[in-house]
Amino acid sequence: AQTVTQSQPEMSVQEAETVTLSCTYDTSESDYYLFWYKQPPSRQMILVIRQEAYKQQNATENRFSVNFQKAAKSFSLKISDSQLGDAAMYFCAYLTGANSKLTFGKGITLSVRP
Amino acid sequence: DVKVTQSSRYLVKRTGEKVFLECVQDMDHENMFWYRQDPGLGLRLIYFSYDVKMKEKGDIPEGYSVSREKKERFSLILESASTNQTSMYLCASSPLPGETQYFGPGTRLLVL
Repeated sequence: AQTVTQSQPEMSVQEAETVTLSCTYDTSESDYYLFWYKQPPSRQMILVIRQEAYKQQNATENRFSVNFQKAAKSFSLKISDSQLGDAAMYFCAYLTGANSKLTFGKGITLSVRP
Repeated sequence: DVKVTQSSRYLVKRTGEKVFLECVQDMDHENMFWYRQDPGLGLRLIYFSYDVKMKEKGDIPEGYSVSREKKERFSLILESASTNQTSMYLCASSPLPGETQYFGPGTRLLVL
């Protein structure tokens, strides 16, 4: 079975600084997708970034970028120029191409210090 | 924008009650999902549906059932609510297998 591991339960970053959130996964599939979702306090879960496993280029979305290391099964999220609105719980998730079952990590709570 | 709505944000029920959680999406998505979210456990899949009247068990289906009579609506049913079903319930939808899932705001259920 696929597993997703987020080993750090909490992290903190100073406003305007850069922070990296770690995620590793375990799979025997070759075709899959990886996601980072953001869940602000008492607010809706939203997609931050998506990576297709067959693409070598790391996905980026404005201040958010990933470091996808397929051989190492690592998928970290880098947030540049952190803002107060980035404070949230972040979930790493894995999805196979064969079906739609998302497997989530346990999440990491990110706080941003003003 | 994709919109996924859930019938209630907060719900308080008594042990043994039958509970219905409703989810509606407005983007004609094929796939719909129910998750529960608990602190320290992340999100776990309860049930999902690929099409109308189709359903598949997820990782933790015990104590739950689902209904999908129309494409846009996916209901989660707790036949006899128990205190260990106190949790946050999240609904999601996606256009096709492998596509991004879009989430509703969640229903926080308390079973007393």
